[in-house]
Amino acid sequence: NAGVTQTPKFRVLKTGQSMTLLCAQDMNHEYMYWYRQDPGMGLRLIHYSVGEGTTAKGEVPDGYNVSRLKKQNFLLGLESAAPSQTSVYFCASGSRTDTQYFGPGTRLTVL
Amino acid sequence: GQQVMQIPQYQHVQEGEDFTTYCNSSTTLSNIQWYKQRPGGHPVFLIQLVKSGEVKKQKRLTFQFGEAKKNSSLHITATQTTDVGTYFCAGLSRGAGGTSYGKLTFGQGTILTVHP
Repeated sequence: NAGVTQTPKFRVLKTGQSMTLLCAQDMNHEYMYWYRQDPGMGLRLIHYSVGEGTTAKGEVPDGYNVSRLKKQNFLLGLESAAPSQTSVYFCASGSRTDTQYFGPGTRLTVL
Repeated sequence: GQQVMQIPQYQHVQEGEDFTTYCNSSTTLSNIQWYKQRPGGHPVFLIQLVKSGEVKKQKRLTFQFGEAKKNSSLHITATQTTDVGTYFCAGLSRGAGGTSYGKLTFGQGTILTVHP
């Protein structure tokens, strides 16, 4: 099992550009999450999904959109990137046991 | 909303010294989890505490959950260089309906460095 995978691993964008981050899990988990990690801020929840076709806002959703068309995939979109969105993005998946399994992360720089 | 505070932010120790990080929640938690993130890596689940006053051990690591289920601690005995990384606590609160969808609120993390 690959667990949770994320693509791409690194990306540099210019302000105003758009991109999509892909998360895939092969553990048949119902729940999936997108976090951003910034120095001294811990992990902050952007959006989450409790099942295929459902999404909900987390703590810091502004500037991001998500979609969960398939159970195993959770996409995070930036429609118009801003320098404030420079961060490391982690995807995680989980089940009713509440434990979360994290992907390796995507390091995004917005110039 | 729920807040989870973690202290200290940084801890530098000599190899062989003990280390403790503390976590406090603004609300009563259903459970608390601890994760470790190695430098350049991703968070990895360590343990989950559910019961009031619960204490769990993993080799040199001891985890405690407070009686009021609002605080927790992680203690490492005789640190080793392999313990280097950031330790996060994460609290889970269930809503009135008992559901949480696994939404965790993470503390800011404690960055541990160990000098050989």
